[in-house]
Amino acid sequence: GAGVSQSPSNKVTEKGKDVELRCDPISGHTALYWYRQSLGQGLEFLIYFQGNSAPDKSGLPSDRFSAERTGGSVSTLTIQRTQQEDSAVYLCASSTRTGREEQFFGPGTRLTVL
Amino acid sequence: GIQVEQSPPDLILQEGANSTLRCNFSDSVNNLQWFHQNPWGQLINLFYIPSGTKQNGRLSATTVATERYSLLYISSSQTTDSGVYFCAGGSQGNLIFGKGTKLSVKP
Repeated sequence: GAGVSQSPSNKVTEKGKDVELRCDPISGHTALYWYRQSLGQGLEFLIYFQGNSAPDKSGLPSDRFSAERTGGSVSTLTIQRTQQEDSAVYLCASSTRTGREEQFFGPGTRLTVL
Repeated sequence: GIQVEQSPPDLILQEGANSTLRCNFSDSVNNLQWFHQNPWGQLINLFYIPSGTKQNGRLSATTVATERYSLLYISSSQTTDSGVYFCAGGSQGNLIFGKGTKLSVKP
């Protein structure tokens, strides 16, 4: 079946603008995760959703970052007032549930903030 | 939080050689995965292996959960094995990643 999909694949924006990144998880997966990969910080966790439970936001680097998941499926990661240090590849993953299940990753969105 | 250390950071092999990559965890994890990141940045799942041993073709992995480490074995390496290998684990749901091992296989 289809894997995790993300859009756009590339996004270039100007400092101070807001951006929205989209993730479509694997059908039937109830857990959804956002990570980002940057040269300086490696791969780091941002936020995850499990079913209807409150999301774990412990990895969000600042209050400019937020995410929502509508209808238990598609998720949108929003970065407000983007800064140059936000430039990174943003990866989405999903699994059948959290904690003890294999996570599958999408191709990522490469964000460049000028 | 959990710390993940991978070794070696870089590895250069001649085609056909075998190699072992190691991943150490600072605390117990109940989710452990190995990934290969291809040149386009996609994370390819290799193994989900919180404990025990698994094999898939020329690749195999072993996790000793009680000693908090995991090993990835690559046998008869090929140039297509080049790339970055990540291990990641966690106990709360999210994965903590190591810094990766960059593997270069020369023809």
